[in-house]
Amino acid sequence: SYVLTQPPSVSVAPGETARITCGGNNIGSRSVHWYQQGPGQAPVLVIFYDSDRPSGIPERFSGSNSGNTATLTISRVEAGDEADYYCQVWDTTSDHPVFGGGTKLTVL
Amino acid sequence: EVQLLESGGGLVQSGGSLRLSCAASGLSFSTQAMSWVRQAPGKGLEWVSGISGSGGTTYFADSVKGRFTISRDNSKNTLYLQMNTLRVEDTALYYCAAGGTAGTAMDVWGQGTTVTVSS
Repeated sequence: SYVLTQPPSVSVAPGETARITCGGNNIGSRSVHWYQQGPGQAPVLVIFYDSDRPSGIPERFSGSNSGNTATLTISRVEAGDEADYYCQVWDTTSDHPVFGGGTKLTVL
Repeated sequence: EVQLLESGGGLVQSGGSLRLSCAASGLSFSTQAMSWVRQAPGKGLEWVSGISGSGGTTYFADSVKGRFTISRDNSKNTLYLQMNTLRVEDTALYYCAAGGTAGTAMDVWGQGTTVTVSS
C-alpha cells in the first residue's frame, strides 16, 4: 500500500515558522489532508485538499503539495500549536485512506 | 454544531466481540460518508473502516477485514462498528469521523471510545 513518511519531530521557537513534511511517491498527484491532535484530544482537520483551510482554522496554517513532498506550514508559531500533526491521502490501489506516522511539533 | 458521540467501548477478552456506536447530530447524516479510525496507546492514527452515505459501499483495512463490519441507521443518525474475533492488537481508542471515503477529508471527529482486549 501507499506509504507516507513524516519526520518524528519538529522543534521551533515561538513566532518562527514550522514546516512539517509528508513524503510519498508522486504525492503531488494526490490530494493531501492534514490533522492536528493536541495532547489527549481528538484530531482536528487543519488543511484539506492540499491547501484549503476549514472555517475556524487560522490563516497561519497553510499547505502545499508538489513532486514527492507535501508540506504543512505554520507561521508565527504559538505555544498552543504544540501537537501531533498527521498527513493523509487516499490510496487508490487499496481504496482506503492512509495516514502518515505523525510529527510531534514542539514549541521551544 | 456538528457533534459525534461514540459509545460501546470496554474491556473484552481475546476472541470476544463488541459493537461500537456513533451518534451524529448537526449534519445531513444520510448523505455523509463516515469512517472509523483507531489509535493504539502511544501510536499514530490508523484508518479502520468507512461507509458511504447510503450504506451501500463499505471499506475495510486489511487488518480488520473479515472480522469487523460497518453499518449505519440513517433513521437514527447512528454509525456502528461490529467487532468480532477481537485480538490484543485491536486495543485502541476508536474515533468516528465524518468523511474519509473517496478521497474526502475527515472534517469532524468524535472524542473516541476505548476498546481494551485482554489475553
